[in-house]
Amino acid sequence: QKEVEQNSGPLSVPEGAIASLNCTYSDRGSQSFFWYRQYSGKSPELIMFIYSNGDKEDGRFTAQLNKASQYVSLLIRDSQPSDSATYLCAVTDAGTYKYIFGTGTRLKVLA
Amino acid sequence: NAGVTQTPKFQVLKTGQSMTLQCAQDMNHNSMYWYRQDPGMGLRLIYYSASEGTTDKGEVPNGYNVSRLNKREFSLRLESAAPSQTSVYFCASSDPKGYEQYFGPGTRLTVT
Repeated sequence: QKEVEQNSGPLSVPEGAIASLNCTYSDRGSQSFFWYRQYSGKSPELIMFIYSNGDKEDGRFTAQLNKASQYVSLLIRDSQPSDSATYLCAVTDAGTYKYIFGTGTRLKVLA
Repeated sequence: NAGVTQTPKFQVLKTGQSMTLQCAQDMNHNSMYWYRQDPGMGLRLIYYSASEGTTDKGEVPNGYNVSRLNKREFSLRLESAAPSQTSVYFCASSDPKGYEQYFGPGTRLTVT
């Protein structure tokens, strides 16, 4: 069974701090990696994707990928209360059109 | 562009009733997906369609059928609803294979 593991949280950080969210995956063949933000009662919204080892930055968000360790992380700098949400990690199922999702980490940014 | 749209937004069914959830995308994507999301379970794939004319089972297909009507539309049918199918249903699309996947707003279904 291919899996994506995330700590369910909640992860609480003060406003202005860096929030660090982590994800591990079991399928060594996965090629594409995604972070989604989901507010309560809303649909998942894609915020970052990364395809190769290293870091990818977009505004306050940085995605980090380490394929050797099968580890993906999301850093949110200068965290805001509006960042409070559940963050879902997803990876592609190698050789198929499917995506495997983690159960999400709930982030709380305290004002 | 509307992206991915779903109808209805909310639905209440009695056990044994049938219904079809509709999904459409205007991004010219080849692949479309149906997921259900339950508390603590994350997103679970019900069915997907890699391209027009093809459909495949996902992780939890029992009790559901799908139709890929054309490139834009992918519907999910519950033939005889059961309380275990109470969930939030999301449709998504992506293209090309393995690239970013975009979600619709969801349908909140309650089966009593």
